Amino acid sequence: TQLLEQSPQFLSIQEGENLTVYCNSSSVFSSLQWYRQEPGEGPVLLVTVVTGGEVKKLKRLTFQFGDARKDSSLHITAAQPGDTGLYLCAGGWTARQLTFGSGTQLTVLP
Amino acid sequence: EAGVAQSPRYKIIEKRQSVAFWCNPISGHATLYWYQQILGQGPKLLIQFQNNGVVDDSQLPKDRFSAERLKGVDSTLKIQPAKLEDSAVYLCASSNIQGPGEQYFGPGTRLTVT
Repeated sequence: TQLLEQSPQFLSIQEGENLTVYCNSSSVFSSLQWYRQEPGEGPVLLVTVVTGGEVKKLKRLTFQFGDARKDSSLHITAAQPGDTGLYLCAGGWTARQLTFGSGTQLTVLP
Repeated sequence: EAGVAQSPRYKIIEKRQSVAFWCNPISGHATLYWYQQILGQGPKLLIQFQNNGVVDDSQLPKDRFSAERLKGVDSTLKIQPAKLEDSAVYLCASSNIQGPGEQYFGPGTRLTVT
């Protein structure tokens, strides 16, 4: 079983602070995706990274795929209350399947 | 473009009863997935369809769960009989054949088994 471990599990910060969440595995993935899930909704795709060392930016969010394609990080600059949600990483390989991590629950306090 | 539709949004049943969930994927998406998400955890794949064929159902508890995707479009997931530990959100997702496999999720059905 290929597992994805996310850390921290919970994170509560003040508006304006920066944060980084991590996604680690012992397996190599062909792609890695980050999703955000809000209460009562399904996960929404934020980004897909496919190349080792790849860095993608989405406004205040910066995503990095590890050189060995086993890990990834998500950095949020100047967090806002609207960033609150469950952040999930998901590793993909053949057969177009994803394995999801257990998520990081982020709360940004105003 | 319409998203993935699921119904019902909420369902409360007693243990040993039956329940069915419905999913309509994004138009043109050949691959459909059913996930189970227990509170505090990430989604766990139950079954994956490619058109109307099953690609992977290795994590589907087949003694009580069944799923079908007739005509390769809509899908239903059934639980019979339900157990307390089946309480979870059941998510449907779809993806197209091209690209690295981004999945688009519906809002989910929250099932409570009492």
